[in-house]
Amino acid sequence: AQSVTQLGSHVSVSEGALVLLRCNYSSSVPPYLFWYVQYPNQGLQLLLKYTSAATLVKGINGFEAEFKKSETSFHLTKPSAHMSDAAEYFCAVSKNTGGFKTIFGAGTRLFVKA
Amino acid sequence: DARVTQTPRHKVTEMGQEVTMRCQPILGHNTVFWYRQTMMQGLELLAYFRNRAPLDDSGMPKDRFSAEMPDATLATLKIQPSEPRDSAVYFCASGSETATEAFFGQGTRLTVV
Repeated sequence: AQSVTQLGSHVSVSEGALVLLRCNYSSSVPPYLFWYVQYPNQGLQLLLKYTSAATLVKGINGFEAEFKKSETSFHLTKPSAHMSDAAEYFCAVSKNTGGFKTIFGAGTRLFVKA
Repeated sequence: DARVTQTPRHKVTEMGQEVTMRCQPILGHNTVFWYRQTMMQGLELLAYFRNRAPLDDSGMPKDRFSAEMPDATLATLKIQPSEPRDSAVYFCASGSETATEAFFGQGTRLTVV
């Protein structure tokens, strides 16, 4: 069975500071891993995805994530936070492509202080 | 325009009434997911379909919820009778074996009073 654990339901950073959102997964097969972002009253939007190619994945809005098999982690980072990054972020795992069951973590709400 | 369309966007209903939520997946996608989002439970997978057949509906309360795909362009989620604890945002998403991620609709915000 697949599962995702996001460490920290809330993360607060100052504008310009490093953003680090943590995600650990468990999967019996090589997984596909995703980070989605949700702005208030919106659906989920894909930030980036790992699909067994390069372990360092770059996404939209300056975010990136690194797949570390030895640590079963897929942490999301951004070097410098912007006020517009304030949102909820979800890590997700799927066994394969978008046609397969996708399980989400509990989400991490990112606050950005001026 | 490739997007998942959900209707209605908002629904307020009285306890005991039937609620139907609709989803139009992206053309060509053969997999449809229904998720429910609440503050307490986060994003829960209720059910998902591939090629219109239900693959997994273990997350769905069977006594009052039902999900169907009458055709490839329409998925429905029904609650009958609705209860206040069903108040949540319901998301539909679609995917395929060639698309690497699931694509989400804007959600239906359901309030049962």
